[in-house]
Amino acid sequence: DAGVTQSPTHLIKTRGQHVTLRCSPISGHKSVSWYQQVLGQGPQFIFQYYEKEERGRGNFPDRFSARQFPNYSSELNVNALLLGDSALYLCASTGLGGGHNEQFFGPGTRLTVL
Amino acid sequence: AQKVTQAQTEISVVEKEDVTLDCVYETRDTTYYLFWYKQPPSGELVFLIRRNSFDEQNEISGRYSWNFQKSTSSFNFTITASQVVDSAVYFCALSALTGGGNKLTFGTGTQLKVEL
Repeated sequence: DAGVTQSPTHLIKTRGQHVTLRCSPISGHKSVSWYQQVLGQGPQFIFQYYEKEERGRGNFPDRFSARQFPNYSSELNVNALLLGDSALYLCASTGLGGGHNEQFFGPGTRLTVL
Repeated sequence: AQKVTQAQTEISVVEKEDVTLDCVYETRDTTYYLFWYKQPPSGELVFLIRRNSFDEQNEISGRYSWNFQKSTSSFNFTITASQVVDSAVYFCALSALTGGGNKLTFGTGTQLKVEL
């Protein structure tokens, strides 16, 4: 079975632009989470979605938004990009919506903001 | 608030040495889960283990072993007879329930370098 997939792999944008990152969870998984990993640090939680509903939100500005589609894939949108948004964006899928189940991560999208 | 501390920023060992990666956590929850993930240079986080707060038994999986001690809020990870392929960044993480879902709080990671 395919693991978590993310697209694109790499992305270069300029300040003020908008970006959309995409994620497809493992088949059968209904929960998707997004994390931001700045170079040299651990991943920081951004959002979690389950059955198309937001179940958790981290400490990120409103420029960050996300949604989940009926097929459980997800998009992360970031508006008005700042230099500090440059990071590896990781998507993770979980088999169940709640609880403490392990999250399986995709390869990430590396975003560079110039 | 949840917090995970990995005080070791970088560890270098020679192949076949044993190495222990430290993890200390803080939480007010009575039920929580702890995780270890490996991040090779490719960037993808690889799940290694999940333990719940009620199970303090040590666990061994091949060359990997984990020591969970609630009394010291620690969840340490030992690699026995390290290999070059073990070179990666290792993250300890704590799971907290939030609004019906769960989020992982990660430490800052420990860079392990295994040399020949």
